[in-house]
Amino acid sequence: SQQGEEDPQALSIQEGENATMNCSYKTSINNLQWYRQNSGRGLVHLILIRSNEREKHSGRLRVTLDTSKKSSSLLITASRAADTASYFCATDSIGNTDKLIFGTGTRLQVFP
Amino acid sequence: DVKVTQSSRYLVKRTGEKVFLECVQDMDHENMFWYRQDPGLGLRLIYFSYDVKMKEKGDIPEGYSVSREKKERFSLILESASTNQTSMYLCASSQGSLGNQPQHFGDGTRLSIL
Repeated sequence: SQQGEEDPQALSIQEGENATMNCSYKTSINNLQWYRQNSGRGLVHLILIRSNEREKHSGRLRVTLDTSKKSSSLLITASRAADTASYFCATDSIGNTDKLIFGTGTRLQVFP
Repeated sequence: DVKVTQSSRYLVKRTGEKVFLECVQDMDHENMFWYRQDPGLGLRLIYFSYDVKMKEKGDIPEGYSVSREKKERFSLILESASTNQTSMYLCASSQGSLGNQPQHFGDGTRLSIL
């Protein structure tokens, strides 16, 4: 089953611009995580936000969580060509914390 | 840093073969996972394991089995490979309680079944 769905599916921007990706999910959660995947590589954990948090920062990353709308956004500020990758959200769910469910991802391309 | 190592980056096998994918982690993590990743479908969980000799089915276990004889090693087995098992396979590990811990991934094995 698909818990997280990212939007947009693909995003192209110029270096220096901000990139915003959104994730919607269906059931109540304890935690939401964002991951990055460079082409042909494994996923790398970026940031975790708990259900009682509304916003979290890590370097150029800003994540927000709106549990009433069951949605999260990932903002990358001042993007660089090296940010080109796919970005995935992943959620657990209340009553079923055994596993994470990943969305289908947003492909971000940053042009120099 | 946590390192998760998958034995092969690329693998080509024939229909009907028994295929073993190996994964080793070096951080003494309790939890290990096998996913497959297909375009448009994201990551789907095949099996996971809480501890040595423990295994739990994920969302798509059919046609697969797993083995965890040692804490650091988690093997995925395709009992009789079929063409619809051509995919990217990703192994991951995590510490402690599952939902609030990051998962650490290997670089994947791109498996082609001919």
